[in-house]
Amino acid sequence: QVQLVQSGAEVKKPGASVKVSCKASGYTFSDYYIHWVRQAPGQGLEWMGWINPNSGGTNYAQKFQGRVTMTRDTSFSTAYMELSRLRSDDTAVYYCADSYGYRDGYYMDVWGKGTTVTVSS
Amino acid sequence: QTVVTQEPSFSVSPGGTVTLTCGLSSGSVSTSYYPSWYQQTPGQAPRTLIYSTNSRSSGVPDRFSGSILGNKAALTITGAQADDESDYYCVLYLGSGIVVFGGGTKLTVL
Repeated sequence: QVQLVQSGAEVKKPGASVKVSCKASGYTFSDYYIHWVRQAPGQGLEWMGWINPNSGGTNYAQKFQGRVTMTRDTSFSTAYMELSRLRSDDTAVYYCADSYGYRDGYYMDVWGKGTTVTVSS
Repeated sequence: QTVVTQEPSFSVSPGGTVTLTCGLSSGSVSTSYYPSWYQQTPGQAPRTLIYSTNSRSSGVPDRFSGSILGNKAALTITGAQADDESDYYCVLYLGSGIVVFGGGTKLTVL
């Protein structure tokens, strides 16, 4: 079955960077986009962007442009999301989710369990 | 900036029917926005319910249905159960690969 396994919790200081991984199994990794979505404590879901594992092409939400980088390693069926210049309000659970892409309006299908990132001095 | 609007909260009686909506700060929602719906309980990852307006994701019971009602996307839950008590989020596709979440609706079953 399709599964997305994310890396473990991270604690970072303000100004640092964090890189979260999302390993896919149960399907051909390059066939589906990977979205990244975050959720701050007590808040709603926020879309950050996606990567097309086949081409490496990316699309970032305007809010995160210049601070987020999404990459992939097809050899390991793994997508990565790196967020730089961390601030305290980046404290959140970060989720990856796969997607059929433009075919169905980029909806999120299967979700990872989330990675907690805490930014604190 | 496009804002996707949802009711902050809603309540339904067990066995009842409830319709949650998803609108735009300006303009009408149509199938061209490919509305999708997600359910999330506290401490858990979201679960996909509906995509492309009215297609149910694998394993989702037919108590959940999606539609366009007037100028909004809608999620209807019939025969509400206690474990339907969750947060529900809609997502709209704005074009050029951009999607946006609504603020979410907290559904109480009581």
